[in-house]
Amino acid sequence: GEDVEQSLFLSVREGDSSVINCTYTDSSSTYLYWYKQEPGAGLQLLTYIFSNMDMKQDQRLTVLLNKKDKHLSLRIADTQTGDSAIYFCAERIDSSASKIIFGSGTRLSIRP
Amino acid sequence: NAGVTQTPKFQVLKTGQSMTLQCAQDMNHNSMYWYRQDPGMGLRLIYYSASEGTTDKGEVPNGYNVSRLNKREFSLRLESAAPSQTSVYFCASSEGPGAASPLHFGNGTRLTVT
Repeated sequence: GEDVEQSLFLSVREGDSSVINCTYTDSSSTYLYWYKQEPGAGLQLLTYIFSNMDMKQDQRLTVLLNKKDKHLSLRIADTQTGDSAIYFCAERIDSSASKIIFGSGTRLSIRP
Repeated sequence: NAGVTQTPKFQVLKTGQSMTLQCAQDMNHNSMYWYRQDPGMGLRLIYYSASEGTTDKGEVPNGYNVSRLNKREFSLRLESAAPSQTSVYFCASSEGPGAASPLHFGNGTRLTVT
């Protein structure tokens, strides 16, 4: 079946690193994505990783993919107040290459 | 360059009323999508259109119909609205199969059914 799971909440101190985790079930996933949603807005793409990669770095963002365990994580270095948002992981289901399934989202809050 | 445009932004319906949510994209994308967002449940795929002329059911299609009017436009219709359809609806588009092809989202339609 197709399922993407995330924990609902994460709280970190400003300046620390945030690590948001995601697990998925479809072993034929080709691309995995991270999106950010700020209050009252649509979703913005942060980054994505192809399934044959195990890491991708983009400025403060690091994506790690463990394909064996079907585990994806997003690390945000030096977390700032502007990083407060809901973060969604999503997978592109290979059997129907246009179909993209999302997790429930992780709400990241920043403590001073 | 507007990207993905959804109308209306807000709507209140009574149970049993019908309405159509409109979506248009100006990026020449092949694939278009409708999602609904409910608290604690993330985004759930209602319907998608991999290319002009095709539509497919997603995770939660019951109570909805879609029309891919042309390459630019993809509408979502509620024939007889129910309170369970109170949600925020997002339209999205992507280039289509073959590459990373991430989704580009509209700003959403907040629908309340009383």
